[in-house]
Amino acid sequence: LAKTTQPISMDSYEGQEVNITCSHNNIATNDYITWYQQFPSQGPRFIIQGYKTKVTNEVASLFIPADRKSSTLSLPRVSLSDTAVYYCLVVVYSSASKIIFGSGTRLSIRP
Amino acid sequence: SAVISQKPSRDICQRGTSLTIQCQVDSQVTMMFWYRQQPGQSLTLIATANQGSEATYESGFVIDKFPISRPNLTFSTLTVSNMSPEDSSIYLCSVGTGLSVGYEQYFGPGTRLTVT
Repeated sequence: LAKTTQPISMDSYEGQEVNITCSHNNIATNDYITWYQQFPSQGPRFIIQGYKTKVTNEVASLFIPADRKSSTLSLPRVSLSDTAVYYCLVVVYSSASKIIFGSGTRLSIRP
Repeated sequence: SAVISQKPSRDICQRGTSLTIQCQVDSQVTMMFWYRQQPGQSLTLIATANQGSEATYESGFVIDKFPISRPNLTFSTLTVSNMSPEDSSIYLCSVGTGLSVGYEQYFGPGTRLTVT
């Protein structure tokens, strides 16, 4: 089961682009990289998922280099409402898959 | 997406008692899961709630302490038994979109439990 490493916290300002990098050195061939967002007093919310190269949706982009040992979640033009904890997970699509929610990155956005 | 509600939203309980947490989903789902999250910490999977059969527990969690029911495809309960202050935590249920936790999950708002 691949373990992930993320920065404990990050600070940024409204309107900036924020990049959160996750390290997953022992990622396996069948593993996907998934990001969840959690606001205080709420359950986590799925943001984005990818296998390689770049994935973009209406909320974020996910960049995965060729060796897949790391990935970067990119949040364009953040606002105060993006203040949350962001979790990077490595998952495999099988009936017996396991996941580990790491410690996450606490992102604080300032005006 | 699925809309998930949990009851109660919070509770304060005495040591040695039990609390049952309910999780209701607005649509039929195959996979339901229960997590624990201590304040300021990450989430830990307790078990997978299987409809019509016994729940599948993760290492470190046992049925006697955390009995789970799953009577149908929209409802599940988690009981925290014989509580101690160490059980103070946020308990969350989630539903999966695929065969296991590896697939995208939708989470409920959580139940904040304090044991005194």
